[in-house]
Amino acid sequence: NAGVMQNPRHLVRRRGQEARLRCSPMKGHSHVYWYRQLPEEGLKFMVYLQKENIIDESGMPKERFSAEFPKEGPSILRIQQVVRGDSAAYFCASSPEGWETQYFGPGTRLLVL
Amino acid sequence: GDSVTQMEGPVTLSEEAFLTINCTYTATGYPSLFWYVQYPGEGLQLLLKATKADDKGSNKGFEATYRKETTSFHLEKGSVQVSDSAVYFCALMKKGNQFYFGTGTSLTVIP
Repeated sequence: NAGVMQNPRHLVRRRGQEARLRCSPMKGHSHVYWYRQLPEEGLKFMVYLQKENIIDESGMPKERFSAEFPKEGPSILRIQQVVRGDSAAYFCASSPEGWETQYFGPGTRLLVL
Repeated sequence: GDSVTQMEGPVTLSEEAFLTINCTYTATGYPSLFWYVQYPGEGLQLLLKATKADDKGSNKGFEATYRKETTSFHLEKGSVQVSDSAVYFCALMKKGNQFYFGTGTSLTVIP
C-alpha cells in the first residue's frame, strides 16, 4: 500500500509566480490535511478537505492561498503571487476518517527567490 | 486554547545513553496524544500514540505514558542509537478537531 505521495519534492519560484503543490492520499483515505513548516518551527495546520469539500480552512491565509480535493485526482494547494515568506516545507497528511491518526507525505519544499 | 509544549533542543547524546524528551499539553476534554519523528529530508512518521489517560504507547524501543494528572506525555528510550537521530514532534488531537504540534526537538546521537 503506497503511502501519501507529494510532488514536486522541491519547487523553486520567483516572487509573483504561482506555486501548485499536489498530494495523493493513501489508498482508502478520503480525508486530506495540509500543514506548513517554517524553518526551525513545528507544523502549523492550514486546511482540511474531503472529496470536493473544504471542512476546515481556519489555518490558511485568507489571500493568495487556496486548496481543493476534486472527485478525481490529487489534492492541490495553490499559492498565487508567492512572496519570500512563503518559503517553507508543505506537508500533506491523510486519514481514513476525519481527525483520526494522520499519515504524512514527504513534503514539498518551496523556495521563493 | 489547545497547545503542546516541548522541551527545547537540540539534544546531543552518546550512543546507548538514556533519552527523555519532555512534552506537556494544554487541552480541554480528552485529547489523544502522539509522537511523530522526522528524519532529514523526509515527512513525519507516526512513532507512537496514546488515546486515554494512563495508556502507554510504545514502538521501536520508545515509550510514552499519557499522564493526565501532570498533563504530560514524555518520550523515553533506554538506549539510543545513531539511527535515532531525527526531530521528534509531540502532538495532540481531539476527536473532531485539528492536530496541534509542538515545535520539535532535534536529537543527535554520536557514536
